[in-house]
Amino acid sequence: DAKTTQPNSMESNEEEPVHLPCNHSTISGTDYIHWYRQLPSQGPEYVIHGLTSNVNNRMASLAIAEDRKSSTLILHRATLRDAAVYYCILSNEGGSSNTGKLIFGQGTTLQVKP
Amino acid sequence: DAGVTQSPTHLIKTRGQQVTLRCSPKSGHDTVSWYQQALGQGPQFIFQYYEEEERQRGNFPDRFSGHQFPNYSSELNVNALLLGDSALYLCASSFTGGSEKLFFGSGTQLSVL
Repeated sequence: DAKTTQPNSMESNEEEPVHLPCNHSTISGTDYIHWYRQLPSQGPEYVIHGLTSNVNNRMASLAIAEDRKSSTLILHRATLRDAAVYYCILSNEGGSSNTGKLIFGQGTTLQVKP
Repeated sequence: DAGVTQSPTHLIKTRGQQVTLRCSPKSGHDTVSWYQQALGQGPQFIFQYYEEEERQRGNFPDRFSGHQFPNYSSELNVNALLLGDSALYLCASSFTGGSEKLFFGSGTQLSVL
């Protein structure tokens, strides 16, 4: 399974944008990039995923580098409720939808300051 | 619409005992995956159940076993508990053939003394 590299921690101020980076230099052509987050005392929560093009949803945006070796999760206006551990995960769409197997790293702990 | 529910929320056992954790998937989901999350670490995949059978397994010993019922709910059993089995056990559900998005429960915190 392809690996990802994320900073251990990041800080942001409330109501400012946050850019969470992820490196995945060994990504294969069929790997999707997924982001999950885990709030304190909760299970992980799906945030967004994409293959090649940038993606937007109500929670965040995902910017994918042209060579797909890195990506950035963008929270447009951080709130205190966005403080969580953010996981960047690679998975083969077909394979993982059949197995539900996601390989989590240690993620990035995001602190949001008021 | 209830999401993924797990029971119990907390559990304390002693070494050598056996434990059973339960999970009800999100409505409409037919696939259940189990993860173990040690303190300060990301979740680690244990196994997945679909159509009442184990479909894929992570790197966990045979002491970890599971079951899926006709109503898609699932149980995780751990035998001969070790201190190192202390962790948060997470259940995730999905619909095979649908979006790859997994929905997680809040987990069962298991403490082995």
